Amino acid sequence: EAGVTQFPSHSVIEKGQTVTLRCDPISGHDNLYWYRRVMGKEIKFLLHFVKESKQDESGMPNNRFLAERTGGTYSTLKVQPAELEDSGVYFCASSFREDTQYFGPGTRLTVL
Amino acid sequence: RKEVEQDPGPFNVPEGATVAFNCTYSNSASQSFFWYRQDCRKEPKLLMSVYSSGNEDGRFTAQLNRASQYISLLIRDSKLSDSATYLCVVDRGYIPTFGRGTSLIVHP
Repeated sequence: EAGVTQFPSHSVIEKGQTVTLRCDPISGHDNLYWYRRVMGKEIKFLLHFVKESKQDESGMPNNRFLAERTGGTYSTLKVQPAELEDSGVYFCASSFREDTQYFGPGTRLTVL
Repeated sequence: RKEVEQDPGPFNVPEGATVAFNCTYSNSASQSFFWYRQDCRKEPKLLMSVYSSGNEDGRFTAQLNRASQYISLLIRDSKLSDSATYLCVVDRGYIPTFGRGTSLIVHP
């Protein structure tokens, strides 16, 4: 069974540009989560989807971040415009119910 | 005070050693507890859940002390392959809160 996949694995952009990260959860997992790890800090929750609905987006840092999950399958996280402090590793995780979460490999974002 | 606190280490131990990590949490309403393992530049992977009665999985033993609000992970007979960062995760519902991780280096 395929695990959670994320694309791209790395992205290097300039401040002010837009970047879109994609996450494909494990098939059949209704719950999808986004997390971010800024260098030297702990992994922090960004938001949670149940199917296509945002269950909780309390961790989203500001309105430059937009997450979508049209159709309840894959999800995208767009950062527009990117700032230097957005650099970090963005993890996606999915779960069948609200139980064990399986993480994707992450997207390493560098904003120059 | 951080919600979940861990000693970042690194813990540098020889092969075969026994090593223990602790993690404290601040929210007494926390319900679920986990240890994740994260290899360098990889995603976190669930190592084990932590139950009130304590649980063991091979060389790994996890304990929960609700009164003192800490969880522990004991690794016996350390292997080189155990070298990684161990993340303590505390869950109040479905949103886990991660500690910053404890780095373990097992050397020959």
